[in-house]
Amino acid sequence: DQQVKQNSPSLSVQEGRISILNCDYTNSMFDYFLWYKKYPAEGPTFLISISSIKDKNEDGRFTVFLNKSAKHLSLHIVPSQPGDSAVYFCASFNKFYFGSGTKLNVKP
Amino acid sequence: GAGVSQSPSNKVTEKGKDVELRCDPISGHTALYWYRQSLGQGLEFLIYFQGNSAPDKSGLPSDRFSAERTGGSVSTLTIQRTQQEDSAVYLCASRQATDRGQTQYFGPGTRLLVL
Repeated sequence: DQQVKQNSPSLSVQEGRISILNCDYTNSMFDYFLWYKKYPAEGPTFLISISSIKDKNEDGRFTVFLNKSAKHLSLHIVPSQPGDSAVYFCASFNKFYFGSGTKLNVKP
Repeated sequence: GAGVSQSPSNKVTEKGKDVELRCDPISGHTALYWYRQSLGQGLEFLIYFQGNSAPDKSGLPSDRFSAERTGGSVSTLTIQRTQQEDSAVYLCASRQATDRGQTQYFGPGTRLLVL
């Protein structure tokens, strides 16, 4: 059973608009989450993280929101750029459970 | 500085053969992880090494899979009697410590194809 889930396998967004990538988790004991970005033929690279003591963490164009009661987190990218096109994984710090990824395509 | 390296980058093997995949973590990183990513799937945790502690093997899918880490540095993942369903990208990652502020750094992966 997947502990971390990303239910949208793909997302297409116009350049300059907001991209919202969603992630759900099942274990309420999870208290630290990370987002990774992966380009083809490369390993994932760390993007942004959030601790359960916060409900929002912002880094430039990237903001992660955490809703503990809903066991849901989301990554917002605004404005989206074509170079953001990649697969995005969310993960829990606890054993690093990863979601299945969402492939983002930002159209010029 | 040098990142995490993995070898080989690609491996094609016949069903039933054994394969060894190698990971060279970033120097000084005490934590090392192996994952695999099957086609269209997310990253599946396989095994975790932390310093001299006993490894967390809870993600290994069967007893055909084993891994070791020699001298707290290089790690090898061995798959015995490979099956076609073992075909995947095998990713290694290392971290400096267990502190949450320390992120994982991933290698480029080894693409394994079992014919």
